[in-house]
Amino acid sequence: EVKLVESGGGLVQPGGSLRLSCATSGFTFTDYYMSWVRQPPGKALEWLGFIRNKANGYTTEYSASVKGRFTISRDNSQSILYLQMNTLRAEDSATYYCARDGALREGFAYWGQGTLVTVSA
Amino acid sequence: DIVLTQSPASLAVSLGQRATISCRASQSVSTSSYSYMHWYQQKPGQPPKLLIKYASNLESGVPARFSGSGSGTDFTLNIHPVEEEDTATYYCQHSWEIPWTFGGGTKLEIK
Repeated sequence: EVKLVESGGGLVQPGGSLRLSCATSGFTFTDYYMSWVRQPPGKALEWLGFIRNKANGYTTEYSASVKGRFTISRDNSQSILYLQMNTLRAEDSATYYCARDGALREGFAYWGQGTLVTVSA
Repeated sequence: DIVLTQSPASLAVSLGQRATISCRASQSVSTSSYSYMHWYQQKPGQPPKLLIKYASNLESGVPARFSGSGSGTDFTLNIHPVEEEDTATYYCQHSWEIPWTFGGGTKLEIK
């Protein structure tokens, strides 16, 4: 069974940093791209970026809204995905989801339950 | 970036009737073989669930009352007959080029 479990969310002050984790199991982690998607309360989903699989060199892509502030990485030995978030702003407040992505661009068939990040003084 | 415009923003459909949700992309997301458009259902407090991939391919385990169609820039999600459990918000998402983007969502209420 495929499982994705996010952790690391919480309350952080504007300008602060936070690192989210996504522990995965049930599939060969290195075979898959992995994405982060967020959703502010009551609003639509926003794709933040992904990290490619082993075959594609574990390279990363980001949306313009987070490029330069957020960094996606992966620990392939432990099948964990990370999202390092720096210089956080109030508008970064959202539920953050990790999702399994793929080189075939087939959509996100598996998601975690999400972790809530609140940026506030 | 490709903008996905969903319509309507909300709709109420009687039990057993048809719900139709549209998603229009600001540029084509299709080749001659594939359309890189996907549909999700999201219920409150839950992550999204993939319903349809590549515009018309039903994801495993999804009831056959869900169907998707379209190509190029215009796509449609149909639900027929609607059931109480279909109350949710529905999103389209493309994977044509980076960045992937989502539509603004359509909230479905069952009367």
